[in-house]
Order: sequence, then C-alpha cells, then structure tokens
Amino acid sequence: DQQVKQNSPSLSVQEGRISILNCDYTNSMFDYFLWYKKYPAEGPTFLISISSIKDKNEDGRFTVFLNKSAKHLSLHIVPSQPGDSAVYFCAASTNDYKLSFGAGTTVTVRA
Amino acid sequence: NAGVTQTPKFQVLKTGQSMTLQCAQDMNHEYMSWYRQDPGMGLRLIHYSVGAGITDQGEVPNGYNVSRSTTEDFPLRLLSAAPSQTSVYFCASGSTSGGIYEQYFGPGTRLTVT
Repeated sequence: DQQVKQNSPSLSVQEGRISILNCDYTNSMFDYFLWYKKYPAEGPTFLISISSIKDKNEDGRFTVFLNKSAKHLSLHIVPSQPGDSAVYFCAASTNDYKLSFGAGTTVTVRA
Repeated sequence: NAGVTQTPKFQVLKTGQSMTLQCAQDMNHEYMSWYRQDPGMGLRLIHYSVGAGITDQGEVPNGYNVSRSTTEDFPLRLLSAAPSQTSVYFCASGSTSGGIYEQYFGPGTRLTVT
C-alpha cells in the first residue's frame, strides 16, 4: 500500500507561470519530506526538503508547503522555466534514511 | 568527486541467471541504499546499509542480496533472475550526520530479464 501518493501523473504549464505539484501521505509518523527531480536516463536529484516542524521552506524559485493536519504537501515553482520539464517525485521519511516515494508527476513547461 | 557511480548501465539476463549490480560512492557517506523504479510506482527501497558490515531489508527485498564490506561499495546481487525483476535500479548514498536526510542517486542500471 503506497504511503505517499501523487495523484496527478502529469502537469503542463506555460513558461513563466506557476507550477503546483501536490503530494498526499497516509503515515502520520513521517516527519521529513523531500522533493526530487528526475530527467530521463539520469538518477533523481535532490531539490528541496522540509521537516515537520515547519510549514514552509523556500529555495529560490522552489517553495514547499506542508499541511500536517491534512497530510498534504505541495511544491511551487515560480516562474516555471523550460529546464524544469522533468519528473518530480515526492518522498517522505520517518526520521531515518528509508524514503517512501510517490509515483511521480511529469511536468512539461511550454514555451 | 564522481559522486555515486553504477555499473553496468544496461543489462539483459535470462531467467535463472545471476549477476551483481555495482555501486560505489566517493563522498564517505555512511548510508547507502538500493531502489527499483517501476512504471507508475515511484522508487521502492530494496536494501540499505548504515555503515560497513551493517545491512537491512527495505520494502521489496525478496530475490536480492547485499553486503557492505567497505564504506565506498554496496553491490546488489540477483541470485536467480526472474522477469519480475525487470526494472531500473538506483543506488543512493547519504550522510548520517546533521539530521539531514537528502540522498544522492547514481545514474541507474536498466535491467531486462527475459
């Protein structure tokens, strides 16, 4: 049973606009959340993370929001750029290194 | 730094054959792990290690063995390959200090079992 779910398999957005990726989880013991970005034929690369004691973390164009009561997190990319076209994975951990991943969302940024 | 390296990049096996997927990292990370990625399922943890001589099972360990004799290397062994093991395999490493859980992934090995 998947504990981390990304219900949107794909997202298409115009260059310069905001991309919003969503992730839901079921395990209330998760206390560390990460987003990874993956290009074809490459391994995932770490993008941004947030611990459960925060509700927002920002790094340049990327912001992650965490709503613990709803067991929901989201990744905002503003503004979206063509190089952001990739698969984005949400992952969660119970204060260790064993990550549970979502199925991924493929983002396509249109010129 | 080369980061996390994996060999081979591609492999085709017949059912019942054995092979070892190699993984090495040069970042002196204590933690190393193996994941498999299947369509529509994200990445699933196979085995992990928190240091040389210490390994443990992840979510989908059946059919796979690991060992960790050095900090740098973490090979994954398939003893008798099955078509269900057709997947893309990723090795990852991370530091266990500072309460930071980011992991660095290798480029992957695409395995096909016929």
